[in-house]
Amino acid sequence: EPEVTQTPSHQVTQMGQEVILRCVPISNHLYFYWYRQILGQKVEFLVSFYNNEISEKSEIFDDQFSVERPDGSNFTLKIRSTKLEDSAMYFCASRAPTSGGAGELFFGEGSRLTVL
Amino acid sequence: LAKTTQPISMDSYEGQEVNITCSHNNIATNDYITWYQQFPSQGPRFIIQGYKTKVTNEVASLFIPADRKSSTLSLPRVSLSDTAVYYCLVVGYGNKLVFGAGTILRVKS
Repeated sequence: EPEVTQTPSHQVTQMGQEVILRCVPISNHLYFYWYRQILGQKVEFLVSFYNNEISEKSEIFDDQFSVERPDGSNFTLKIRSTKLEDSAMYFCASRAPTSGGAGELFFGEGSRLTVL
Repeated sequence: LAKTTQPISMDSYEGQEVNITCSHNNIATNDYITWYQQFPSQGPRFIIQGYKTKVTNEVASLFIPADRKSSTLSLPRVSLSDTAVYYCLVVGYGNKLVFGAGTILRVKS
């Protein structure tokens, strides 16, 4: 079964450092997402991406964050100047086009970011 | 975006049918109702999606009344491995799928 893969599975960084989280979505999918989940809390939407541009973003997704699809397979989330409160699990998801509803989002296993 | 309300938690026993209800009073005409399951330290996993009446797949059924202001996810004969958080989402046009707090389901033996 095709799957979304994320790297690294766990990253520890110092406050103020830049972090890049990488995702390989399912190959025929056109919509890409990043979510985050702080330990014990709900899954929070960060950003969606379609046709090489951001289609929606949340208020969490400020200038500290950026996304990129540098080639035909990778989808990255960059966090500049990390803060302690950025410590969370970051999930990438992708989906195929649908004729009705949003269809099924396929999530990766997540990248756990720990900021010290 | 339509706001959803679900019970915070539910307890059940193995072999029982579990029904989790979600209310979404301000659902729009073009919105669909989607349910996800999440185990600890894993990404959410799609369970089922529907627009109206009843939808059934190999793991669950989704019941949506005519006014569509609520929906019920039905899990037949749950097992311990169904212990998870279940999220109800209302999804319309646009590309912003927002998860609520979800319902923690605990299945006991």
